[in-house]
Amino acid sequence: DAGVIQSPRHEVTEMGQEVTLRCKPISGHDYLFWYRQTMMRGLELLIYFNNNVPIDDSGMPEDRFSAKMPNASFSTLKIQPSEPRDSAVYFCASSFQLAQNTEAFFGQGTRLTVV
Amino acid sequence: DAKTTQPPSMDCAEGRAANLPCNHSTISGNEYVYWYRQIHSQGPQYIIHGLKNNETNEMASLIITEDRKSSTLILPHATLRDTAVYYCIVPYSGNTGKLIFGQGTTLQVKP
Repeated sequence: DAGVIQSPRHEVTEMGQEVTLRCKPISGHDYLFWYRQTMMRGLELLIYFNNNVPIDDSGMPEDRFSAKMPNASFSTLKIQPSEPRDSAVYFCASSFQLAQNTEAFFGQGTRLTVV
Repeated sequence: DAKTTQPPSMDCAEGRAANLPCNHSTISGNEYVYWYRQIHSQGPQYIIHGLKNNETNEMASLIITEDRKSSTLILPHATLRDTAVYYCIVPYSGNTGKLIFGQGTTLQVKP
């Protein structure tokens, strides 16, 4: 397996534009996580899915953020409209079952810059 | 999640063992201790995890105290490529097991 694949690797957009980040989890994994990383706040869990269903979105900062998982092999994180403070590295991770006795695999991240 | 406490930074000489401590005094009996690391600009990478017994794999060793209130990650022969931020995490077993990252320990391996 190629691991967790995220696209794009880098995204530069203007304030107010819609941004869509994409993630392909490892085949067979039933949990998918979206994280955001900034210097100020570190790694923050935004939302996670189990079997394509959102379980906990308490980390989503505001209504401008939305995430979907239409099938087991694809998820999106959308920001509309984007703001400069959304600039961060966004990571997607997947795991088989919960983190009680299994490891999570992370993608390489998408570096988002909103100007 | 059980709260973990780690020193913000540590140095280690190349070729020497790096011992990274973690306190998790509120850990419950069935909660695991996980270690991840993040090399600059990359996604976090799983290293090792354990419940109560010491664990070893090709990357590191994990020593958990008998009372399980603290643990130490050991990189037996640190290299410059081990320079990274190391995170000690105790996922909450009663809820979701989701990984909540703290600030971690920045390990600088020096030549």
